[in-house]
Amino acid sequence: KNEVEQSPQNLTAQEGEFITINCSYSVGISALHWLQQHPGGGIVSLFMLSSGKKKHGRLIATINIQEKHSSLHITASHPRDSAVYICAVQSPNKLIFGTGTLLAVQP
Amino acid sequence: NAGVTQTPKFRILKIGQSMTLQCAQDMNHNYMYWYRQDPGMGLKLIYYSVGAGITDKGEVPNGYNVSRSTTEDFPLRLELAAPSQTSVYFCASSYSRGATEAFFGQGTRLTVV
Repeated sequence: KNEVEQSPQNLTAQEGEFITINCSYSVGISALHWLQQHPGGGIVSLFMLSSGKKKHGRLIATINIQEKHSSLHITASHPRDSAVYICAVQSPNKLIFGTGTLLAVQP
Repeated sequence: NAGVTQTPKFRILKIGQSMTLQCAQDMNHNYMYWYRQDPGMGLKLIYYSVGAGITDKGEVPNGYNVSRSTTEDFPLRLELAAPSQTSVYFCASSYSRGATEAFFGQGTRLTVV
């Protein structure tokens, strides 16, 4: 079993929909990262969080340390949000990556 | 700031050839990393460095070598390329290895034929 599990693996949404991507982990962590990877492109850090909730524009990330679970929400989704979203946990001095969620937002 | 710069973006190698993937960062980060990304898998750590002159193996170091002569540069060397090294390679840097943001390069797509 992977130490970091993401769901769903693939997600197709219509423009404007509210999107949730989940991440569960089985190890102790000091922080959790949400990353975005566009097709053929590099990886960009969206959030780093160790507790609670963070918001940046239409993106919201939450983490529940007790349940070892994090969610990434996208409100009012747009085709430009189409990308792979990767969850990674810091445990303790190395990053452990999930396999990613491929999101396609259709106009 | 340019952030983390990787070159080349694409490369095709023949089995047995060698090459160096370049990585440079201008953020004065001590920590630098090389990862490979294979289809359906999470990124795997190849090598990392905690500062100039110091490097260490990650999860999948076989077939690779690194050096860190300066804070800015962290090249990855492939000797005797094999088809199993076909992958997308990412260089990253961070201020520390703890809970700090990591910055990634644009990636190098390598195909070994």
